[in-house]
Amino acid sequence: NAGVTQTPKFQVLKTGQSMTLQCAQDMNHNSMYWYRQDPGMGLRLIYYSASEGTTDKGEVPNGYNVSRLNKREFSLRLESAAPSQTSVYFCASSPLGQKAEAFFGQGTRLTVV
Amino acid sequence: GDSVTQMEGPVTLSEEAFLTINCTYTATGYPSLFWYVQYPGEGLQLLLKATKADDKGSNKGFEATYRKETTSFHLEKGSVQVSDSAVYFCALTGGGNKLTFGTGTQLKVEL
Repeated sequence: NAGVTQTPKFQVLKTGQSMTLQCAQDMNHNSMYWYRQDPGMGLRLIYYSASEGTTDKGEVPNGYNVSRLNKREFSLRLESAAPSQTSVYFCASSPLGQKAEAFFGQGTRLTVV
Repeated sequence: GDSVTQMEGPVTLSEEAFLTINCTYTATGYPSLFWYVQYPGEGLQLLLKATKADDKGSNKGFEATYRKETTSFHLEKGSVQVSDSAVYFCALTGGGNKLTFGTGTQLKVEL
């Protein structure tokens, strides 16, 4: 089972460039999430999608946009990358329901120079 | 809003020592509580969970008890191994199915 698949694994961008991080899950989960992980900050929620067709802002949404393309896919777009967006990005998915655990992808290490 | 506070690291222990990582939370209603573990270079994976007050989650020798009266979910293990070296995250799911994490605690276990 693939679980949650993120692409790419590594990326270097120049300031002002745009890119889209891709995430797909094959577990038929309703909810999907994008987090960023920075040293000393833990995981901070950027956006989440409780179900297909809905998206909501998390704790740190500025500078990002998302698309829930279908039930499987949830992409994160940086329109104009900034050095402050250098981070490790994780996608996660979970079944609907408060008691359900989340499953994480392997992460995308993004550096903006 | 919901929040999770956990002790700062790094925590350095000798093999076979007792481990406690403190976690407290703020949430409305009755959240579910989780501990996730992240090994170097990997994503997070669930270690254990508890979904109601007084529940005890356990896995791989780790335990945590959902204490509503103290809003805590401390992680414990009686005898740590070098292979337990990782970053541990306390988390909760409150209303709206949103998963909120603490800042993580790095554990280093030495021989």
